[in-house]
This record gives sequence, structure tokens and C-alpha cells, in this order.
Amino acid sequence: EAGVTQSPTHLIKTRGQQATLRCSPISGHTSVYWYQQALGLGLQFLLWYDEGEERNRGNFPPRFSGRQFPNYSSELNVNALELEDSALYLCASSRSEVKAFFGQGTRLTVV
Amino acid sequence: AQSVTQLDSQVPVFEEAPVELRCNYSSSVSVYLFWYVQYPNQGLQLLLKYLSGSTLVESINGFEAEFNKSQTSFHLRKPSVHISDTAEYFCAVSPRRGGADGLTFGKGTHLIIQP
Repeated sequence: EAGVTQSPTHLIKTRGQQATLRCSPISGHTSVYWYQQALGLGLQFLLWYDEGEERNRGNFPPRFSGRQFPNYSSELNVNALELEDSALYLCASSRSEVKAFFGQGTRLTVV
Repeated sequence: AQSVTQLDSQVPVFEEAPVELRCNYSSSVSVYLFWYVQYPNQGLQLLLKYLSGSTLVESINGFEAEFNKSQTSFHLRKPSVHISDTAEYFCAVSPRRGGADGLTFGKGTHLIIQP
């Protein structure tokens, strides 16, 4: 069974640009979660999508947004990139409410 | 709201020695408890979890953690570590209503195994 897959693995953008990160959940999982792992800040919850709807979002500005497609894959969009957006972005999927499986992440570098 | 404190940012230990990674949490509601492991350049993998029942939980690779409600702790232990255990370890809690959006992570402990 394939795990959670994220693309691209690395992304370099300049300040002010937009970044799009993609996540494919494990087959049969309907929920997708996004986390930001920034240096020195640990893992911070960003967004939760379930059945195509945004269910919850963390304490991030509106320029962080996303969506979930009918096949349950998801995109995370970050607009007007700032230097401090540089981080590892992790996607997780789950079928039950408790156990989440994480992808290997997308390393976003803003220069 | 929940918070998780991992008291040690780095723990160096010699191969085959025992190790304990400390985790304390605070929460106004009942929680589930988790340990995740992140190997270099990889995502997070669930190591073990406490949902209910026995307060001692074990993983398949020799780690164990004990839930102590009175001390609000969930320390991770292994009696004999191996080089391959070198990784970042994250303690996390989630309110019992479930949902990974409720996962609050500690800042991680880097376990460094020395030969």
C-alpha cells in the first residue's frame, strides 16, 4: 500500500511569489492535514480537510490556503511568500479520527 | 488548549545503553498521547500511542512509554539503543474528541547515538 506522497520534495521561491504544494493521501483516507515544521518552532497545525471541506485551520494568516479534490488529494497554497515561510511542510492523512500517517514533506525555501 | 514540553532538545547516548526521552503535557481535557519519530530527511512516523487501558505501551522496535496521569508525563524509554535509532522524536497530545488537527507537538528531542 502506497503511503502519503507529497510533491515536490524541494521548492525554492523568491519573496512575494506563490507556492503550491501537493499531497496524495493513502487510498481510502478522506482526511488530509497540513503542518508546518519551521526551524526552532516545531510542528504547527495549518489546515484540516475532510470530504472536500475545510474543517479547521490553525493560527496562520489567510495567505495560507488550500483545497481538497474529489479524489481526496490536496493542495496547499501560500501567497505573497515571506522569508519566514521557509520550512518543511508535512501532509498527513487518516481514516479514523485518531491515527494519522505523514508524508515525507516538501522543503520550501524562500529567498 | 494543550501544550507539550520535551525537556531535552538533544540526548547523546552510547550504543547499547538505555535511554529515556522526557515528555510532559498540560491539558484542560482528557487526551490521547503519541510519540512520533522523524528519521533524517523523512516525514513523521507514528512510534506508539496511548489511547486507553494499560498505561504502558510498546512499539515493535523496543521502545516503550508509560502514561503517568498524576505527573502528566509520557516518557519514552528503550533499554538498549542502536545506531539506527538516531532520529528526532516528537511527543504529541490530542484531545479525546480526536482528529489530527488537534495534535499538539513538542519541539522534539534529537537522539544521537554514539558508537
